[in-house]
Amino acid sequence: GEDVEQSLFLSVREGDSSVINCTYTDSSSTYLYWYKQEPGAGLQLLTYIFSNMDMKQDQRLTVLLNKKDKHLSLRIADTQTGDSAIYFCAESDTSGTYKYIFGTGTRLKVLA
Amino acid sequence: NAGVTQTPKFRILKIGQSMTLQCTQDMNHNYMYWYRQDPGMGLKLIYYSVGAGITDKGEVPNGYNVSRSTTEDFPLRLELAAPSQTSVYFCASTTPGRGASEQYFGPGTRLTVT
Repeated sequence: GEDVEQSLFLSVREGDSSVINCTYTDSSSTYLYWYKQEPGAGLQLLTYIFSNMDMKQDQRLTVLLNKKDKHLSLRIADTQTGDSAIYFCAESDTSGTYKYIFGTGTRLKVLA
Repeated sequence: NAGVTQTPKFRILKIGQSMTLQCTQDMNHNYMYWYRQDPGMGLKLIYYSVGAGITDKGEVPNGYNVSRSTTEDFPLRLELAAPSQTSVYFCASTTPGRGASEQYFGPGTRLTVT
């Protein structure tokens, strides 16, 4: 079955770049998503990428997609303390039910 | 728009008790989902619904039931609560479109079964 994997923790210094990685298994996914979860809150969509794209940039966020290796990454430039959160990648299935398969989540800690 | 609302925010249950987690959305979304989030495990899909009167099992449905009598409401029922059901529960909704379909999440219900 499908499986989406992420490393559990990442720690960076304020002002540095953060790179969060994700590997997925369902090569037929049309869209891949990045969600952010702040403490005690639900998930909010950060950005997404269409599967026929290699890269998408949105202000401080850059998403890279390597379809051959089934690897997705999220780069946050100039990381701020407010970026401290859990980041989830997700792929949508192709059954028409718009179900997501979520990764395990990466907890990003930004050190001042 | 309130978006997706969930009640209660917190609950402690004794083993064997039952409860219903409420979820309501005011965005007229057809598709609704229930997830549970366990530490280090990401979100697992419990049940989902593609419209009023239609529900289906997700990845981890055992011990839960759902109903969808209206577009707005999608309650999750726990019968005979067990410690393994201690988790944070999230409800989400979306509507299909021509592009990416963002799921909108509620704030979650933190449930402890002791």
